[in-house]
Amino acid sequence: EAGVAQSPRYKIIEKRQSVAFWCNPISGHATLYWYQQILGQGPKLLIQFQNNGVVDDSQLPKDRFSAERLKGVDSTLKIQPAKLEDSAVYLCASSLRGGWDGYTFGSGTRLTVV
Amino acid sequence: TQLLEQSPQFLSIQEGENLTVYCNSSSVFSSLQWYRQEPGEGPVLLVTVVTGGEVKKLKRLTFQFGDARKDSSLHITAAQPGDTGLYLCAGVGGGSQGNLIFGKGTKLSVKP
Repeated sequence: EAGVAQSPRYKIIEKRQSVAFWCNPISGHATLYWYQQILGQGPKLLIQFQNNGVVDDSQLPKDRFSAERLKGVDSTLKIQPAKLEDSAVYLCASSLRGGWDGYTFGSGTRLTVV
Repeated sequence: TQLLEQSPQFLSIQEGENLTVYCNSSSVFSSLQWYRQEPGEGPVLLVTVVTGGEVKKLKRLTFQFGDARKDSSLHITAAQPGDTGLYLCAGVGGGSQGNLIFGKGTKLSVKP
């Protein structure tokens, strides 16, 4: 079974630029999550999708972050404009039903904003 | 707000030593999960504990869920350098969304 694919692995941008991350979950997993992990901290949920609908985006900074999951499969997370404090690893995870099943994470995208 | 506190934050030990890391909360969780994260990779699920008082063993790793389902511990016997990593506990949050709330993790380093 293929895992959760994320790209790019690394990205360096200047502040106020925009950036996009891509995620392809495990086939058949209805639930997809984007987490932000700042160095030295645990992952923090940004947004949760169930198929192509948003279930929870309460912690997504909507003035600069956006995400979509077209056709209920792939997902993209965008930041525009980026700030220095957005430097972090952005993790995508998928699950069959939800947290009760446990998550399968991708390797993440390490974003550095300079 | 449900929070998970993990301790210690950092742990550096020699190969062969035993260790225990803790995950505590003031909230009740329906289940807790433990993940290990290696540098440059995403977290990998180790175990899920569901029943209060439950003990699960995974080779040299022993996981325990507190009777009140507010805390959990991970004990590693005879640690090896391959155990090095960030250990994260996660609880299923309240509500129907079923998303996971993570602690800040315990960074373990096992020196040969």
